Amino acid sequence: RKEVEQDPGPFNVPEGATVAFNCTYSNSASQSFFWYRQDCRKEPKLLMSVYSSGNEDGRFTAQLNRASQYISLLIRDSKLSDSATYLCVVGSNYQLIWGAGTKLIIKP
Amino acid sequence: SQTIHQWPATLVQPVGSPLSLECTVEGTSNPNLYWYRQAAGRGLQLLFYSVGIGQISSEVPQNLSASRPQDRQFILSSKKLLLSDSGFYLCAWNDQGGEQFFGPGTRLTVL
Repeated sequence: RKEVEQDPGPFNVPEGATVAFNCTYSNSASQSFFWYRQDCRKEPKLLMSVYSSGNEDGRFTAQLNRASQYISLLIRDSKLSDSATYLCVVGSNYQLIWGAGTKLIIKP
Repeated sequence: SQTIHQWPATLVQPVGSPLSLECTVEGTSNPNLYWYRQAAGRGLQLLFYSVGIGQISSEVPQNLSASRPQDRQFILSSKKLLLSDSGFYLCAWNDQGGEQFFGPGTRLTVL
């Protein structure tokens, strides 16, 4: 089993729809969780950290389920500019383990 | 504010040639530094990380090496490039296991 697993997609979603991704991790001792966004041929950029209580930033909501060892990302009212690859990242101590990413394509 | 620089942005090198990629961070002290490689359509592969000057840990055995001659400078090198070394090389930094921040990357093509 991979340490961090994501559905590679692509998810083809019409503009304005709601889309959700899940990401599972294998190390129950993981302490930090993040979602990054990567545009084609660009570096990853932090989208949001994921806290135990869940957190929301505008149209984006992240949740952590420690018991089932997964994190989720929900995007509401999707925009064309949301098209990107979304990377799930799980960390302990100094090291972060990266998922391979889920590709999202928002269609007009 | 902190910034991270990488150069060059793109590089085309013949098989067997040497490589040197440089990364520098500004606006922070004693950062953790990382080198990743991303093959086309794939996830990030951690190559090296450093928690201090002269301290390098290698995650994947290969023909690459890394050095940290100064606190905010991280260098990725190879004596002889292989075709399989082609990819997108990303340098990143963080503090104590927090979120990582990336440089713009170097796209390396080995022919």
